[in-house]
Amino acid sequence: ETGVTQSPTHLIKTRGQQVTLRCSSQSGHNTVSWYQQALGQGPQFIFQYYREEENGRGNFPPRFSGLQFPNYSSELNVNALELDDSALYLCASSPTGAQEAFFGQGTRLTVV
Amino acid sequence: KQEVTQIPAALSVPEGENLVLNCSFTDSAIYNLQWFRQDPGKGLTSLLLIQSSQREQTSGRLNASLDKSSGRSTLYIAASQPGDSATYLCAVRWNTNAGKSTFGDGTTLTVKP
Repeated sequence: ETGVTQSPTHLIKTRGQQVTLRCSSQSGHNTVSWYQQALGQGPQFIFQYYREEENGRGNFPPRFSGLQFPNYSSELNVNALELDDSALYLCASSPTGAQEAFFGQGTRLTVV
Repeated sequence: KQEVTQIPAALSVPEGENLVLNCSFTDSAIYNLQWFRQDPGKGLTSLLLIQSSQREQTSGRLNASLDKSSGRSTLYIAASQPGDSATYLCAVRWNTNAGKSTFGDGTTLTVKP
C-alpha cells in the first residue's frame, strides 16, 4: 500500500476524444509526477507538478496537460486522443521531487 | 543522452537459485537509483532506494549495489521463490534533473517451482 490512489483503473476511449485521469497522493507529498508506460517498456516521464505548478516536462506534446490541487490530488488530461496513447498511466508522489517516489496502481487507457 | 539499460529482458530460473539483475546507466552524475517490482498490469512497488553517496542497500532477501564509476547497479535476490516472478525495473534520477526518473525497460523474472 503506497497511499497513492488512481482512478479509474481501466478506461476505453475513442480516437479524437478527451480523457481525464485522476490521482490522489499522500498527505504532505507536494510533488506529483505522471508517467506513460507502453506494453513491454519502462515508464516514460510526462511531467511533474510541485505545489500546483508544472516544473518539469518530458517529450510529450501540449495535448498532454495536468493540474495539481491543494488537497494533494492531481489530474492528467489528454486531448485529441490517438491510438498510440493506449498505455498504462502511472502517478507518483513524493514529499519533494527528488525523494523516494511512491507509485499508484495506474490507469489502463485503451484508445480504439 | 542519459539512458538506462537493463539486460537481459527476460530471465527464467529454478526455485531456490540466487540471481542478479543488472542495470546500466550512461551518466555517472546520479542523484539516486531506485529498484521497483511490477506485477502484470499493475503499478510499481518500490523495493530499494540507493542514494548517490551509498554503495548498497538491503531489505530481506534483496540487496542492491551501486557503482557510479562503472555506471552499474545490481539487484541480488537470494533463494528465489515463485512469488518473486515479476518485472523488475530500475529508475535513475540524475543531478541535472533530480525530479525526473528515467527507467530501464525492465527484466521479467520467472521463478519455476
